[in-house]
Amino acid sequence: GAVVSQHPSWVICKSGTSVKIECRSLDFQATTMFWYRQFPKQSLMLMATSNEGSKATYEQGVEKDKFLINHASLTLSTLTVTSAHPEDSSFYICSARGGTSGSSYNEQFFGPGTRLTVL
Amino acid sequence: AQSVTQPDIHITVSEGASLELRCNYSYGATPYLFWYVQSPGQGLQLLLKYFSGDTLVQGIKGFEAEFKRSQSSFNLRKPSVHWSDAAEYFCALNTGGGNKLTFGTGTQLKVEL
Repeated sequence: GAVVSQHPSWVICKSGTSVKIECRSLDFQATTMFWYRQFPKQSLMLMATSNEGSKATYEQGVEKDKFLINHASLTLSTLTVTSAHPEDSSFYICSARGGTSGSSYNEQFFGPGTRLTVL
Repeated sequence: AQSVTQPDIHITVSEGASLELRCNYSYGATPYLFWYVQSPGQGLQLLLKYFSGDTLVQGIKGFEAEFKRSQSSFNLRKPSVHWSDAAEYFCALNTGGGNKLTFGTGTQLKVEL
């Protein structure tokens, strides 16, 4: 149980285009989803937290107009990188958690990640 | 504010040797603690977690970790390393209440055959 998928697993796009990454919880309802960015050989950096039906909360320094997050349902969140540039190239990982209390509320289940390359 | 420290950036062990990866945390109360493993180009896989109770936690793939409150540590151990264990290992902390995870910087494990 607790499987999270991401699509696509990798994407290459031209500079100036927008790219959408999907994150789905396959067997549970994700009340909250998180989006992380990971640079090569570095740890995960939290970009934003999204609760279903609410606006995402962005971490300091993350441009909300650049990285649009939508969490329209309990099983799907999307991250859209708008007007992508080469410096946006990175590994993007989502995670999801379910419930509103208890142990499941404090555990995140991670997707396999999406490799974005902007030419 | 809470923090997680993984003092070792790289560790190399021989196959069959024992392994210990260090993790220290800073938080005033008992945190929720996690160890994840990440293979190149992959997402994070949960190895084990500590929420409460027995301080020695067993995980998948033969890993275990021990929570030591007095030392603010949650070190990961494996008695005999396999070549397939080569990966990046992350320790993470959650302060509860559904708060976000705080990750350590990771330890890259290399296994020599």
